[in-house]
Amino acid sequence: DQQVKQNSPSLSVQEGRISILNCDYTNSMFDYFLWYKKYPAEGPTFLISISSIKDKNEDGRFTVFLNKSAKHLSLHIVPSQPGDSAVYFCAAKGRGGADGLTFGKGTHLIIQP
Amino acid sequence: NAGVTQTPKFRVLKTGQSMTLLCAQDMNHEYMYWYRQDPGMGLRLIHYSVGEGTTAKGEVPDGYNVSRLKKQNFLLGLESAAPSQTSVYFCASTHGVEQFFGPGTRLTVL
Repeated sequence: DQQVKQNSPSLSVQEGRISILNCDYTNSMFDYFLWYKKYPAEGPTFLISISSIKDKNEDGRFTVFLNKSAKHLSLHIVPSQPGDSAVYFCAAKGRGGADGLTFGKGTHLIIQP
Repeated sequence: NAGVTQTPKFRVLKTGQSMTLLCAQDMNHEYMYWYRQDPGMGLRLIHYSVGEGTTAKGEVPDGYNVSRLKKQNFLLGLESAAPSQTSVYFCASTHGVEQFFGPGTRLTVL
C-alpha cells in the first residue's frame, strides 16, 4: 500500500512557465515532507522541505504548498529553466528522529525550450 | 567535504555470490540509511543506523545485513545474491530532517 503517491509519471512544461508537481499521502502521522531532484546516474539532491505544521515554504524559485485536510502537497517551480529537467521525488518523514524517508515513485519533469 | 561516498559504483554478481557495499560520510552525522531503487519505483528503505554499533530494519530488509562499526561508515552486505536484488543502491546520512545521498551503486545479479 503506497503511503506517498505521485500520480503523474511525467510532465512537460515550456521554459519560463510554472511547473507544478503534485504528491498525495495517506499517513497523517508524517511530520515533514521533502522534495528531491534526481539526474540520471546521480543520487537524489534535496530541494526543499515543509513541516506538517506549515502550509507554505519558499526558497528562491521553489515553493512547496501543503494541504493537510486533503493530504496533498505540491511543488511549484517559477520560472522553469532547462536545468530543471530531472526526476522529482516527493518524500515523507515520520515523527521519530531517525525515521527513514518514504518516497513516491517520482515525476519526470521535461522543460521544453 | 566529500559528503556521502559509495564504493563500488558498479558491480555484476552471479547468483549465490556475496559482496559488501561501503558507504562513508564526512559530515559527522549520527543517522545513516541504505535504500534501493528499482525501475519506475521510488527509493525503499532497507536498513538504517542511529549510531555507531546500532542497526535496525527498514521496509525491505530480507537478504541484506548491515554493520556500523565506525560512525562514518555504514556497510551493506549481501550474503547470497539473488536476481531480485538487481537494483541501484543509495546510501544517505542526516543529523535531522534533510538526508544527504551518495551517488549510488548499480548492482546486477545474473
